Amino acid sequence: GENVEQHPSTLSVQEGDSAVIKCTYSDSASNYFPWYKQELGKRPQLIIDIRSNVGEKKDQRIAVTLNKTAKHFSLHITETQPEDSAVYFCAASKNAYKYIFGTGTRLKVLA
Amino acid sequence: DGGITQSPKYLFRKEGQNVTLSCEQNLNHDAMYWYRQDPGQGLRLIYYSQIVNDFQKGDIAEGYSVSREKKESFPLTVTSAQKNPTAFYLCASSNTAGNTEAFFGQGTRLTVV
Repeated sequence: GENVEQHPSTLSVQEGDSAVIKCTYSDSASNYFPWYKQELGKRPQLIIDIRSNVGEKKDQRIAVTLNKTAKHFSLHITETQPEDSAVYFCAASKNAYKYIFGTGTRLKVLA
Repeated sequence: DGGITQSPKYLFRKEGQNVTLSCEQNLNHDAMYWYRQDPGQGLRLIYYSQIVNDFQKGDIAEGYSVSREKKESFPLTVTSAQKNPTAFYLCASSNTAGNTEAFFGQGTRLTVV
């Protein structure tokens, strides 16, 4: 069945440094890849997404890259801040239906 | 907020009892989903549905049941057959025609006592 692998499971960075989270998906028909941020006890919320016809997308300090051939996509956070500390999930879907999520990355930004 | 509401926020159940978690959305989304979240295991798909009166099993459907009698509602029943039901349950919805992201409810934390 469909599967999404996410690494690392935990990530600690110094404030101001960059953080990178990587995901690999198995279903080559997947064409929509959102990233969610979940703070403790709260619902996951979308922070950025990318579609299969685009290789990279940026939104201020956050960027996502997609390599369709390798079935890899990555989240890049630059100039990290303490409020970036949370759990981040990647997901893959076909036509925005049946989202399969990665296992999550707990990011800690150390002041 | 977010247009998708789960209730209750906290739920306690005795072993051997069935319990139903509510999920309602007013976003006019066609697709709805139930996920289970355990520490270190991410979001695992229980059931999903794209149209009324139709739904499919996800990766961990055993011990759960759902219904989709209305577009706005997708209740999840945790049955006594579910061996380890204590978890955080998240409902989500998406607009597949608009090709948009999934929006989540605030979650229900179920504890079996």
